[in-house]
Amino acid sequence: QKEVEQNSGPLSVPEGAIASLNCTYSDRVSQSFFWYRQYSGKSPELIMSIYSNGDKEDGRFTAQLNKASQYVSLLIRDSQPSDSATYLCAVKKDSSYKLIFGSGTRLLVRP
Amino acid sequence: GAGVSQSPRYKVTKRGQDVALRCDPISGHVSLYWYRQALGQGPEFLTYFNYEAQQDKSGLPNDRFSAERPEGSISTLTIQRTEQRDSAMYRCATGGLDTEAFFGQGTRLTVV
Repeated sequence: QKEVEQNSGPLSVPEGAIASLNCTYSDRVSQSFFWYRQYSGKSPELIMSIYSNGDKEDGRFTAQLNKASQYVSLLIRDSQPSDSATYLCAVKKDSSYKLIFGSGTRLLVRP
Repeated sequence: GAGVSQSPRYKVTKRGQDVALRCDPISGHVSLYWYRQALGQGPEFLTYFNYEAQQDKSGLPNDRFSAERPEGSISTLTIQRTEQRDSAMYRCATGGLDTEAFFGQGTRLTVV
């Protein structure tokens, strides 16, 4: 079992729709969770971080964490073609532990 | 500098040669990670430093790979006796202990 799992996609949504990206992790004691966006040929860039159960909103982005279900998601409201990218989920157990990435979900937003 | 700086950006080397990849972190960042990323895949963990201590090197593929961060700042990833299968994008990321990590632009290594 991979430590961080994501559906590879592509997830295709029309412009203006809500895109929902999901991630599960295997280690129940994980404490810190991150979403990165990576455009083709570019480096991953941080979008959101979340550390406690519940929702965290930042503009059009909402991160959701459910530690009991070992599940973290990213919602993108009013999706734009410029949101088309690969979204990477990353998990860190604690300060002395490595940051582990999933393989990413490719999102396509159709004009 | 303002961001994580990696050098060189591109490196072409002949099979069997040694290469050294450099990562210059954001000032004050104590955590430093090295990843390798193949096309269409997520970053694959190689090694992790807290300050100068190599906390985890479980992702290094074999003993040809090594990394150091002697003063808790700049880090070097060294690959000895390179092989074609070592060709990849090598990425460095740095951050606080329990906070976000930020990536450099990466080094594209090609072994011919």
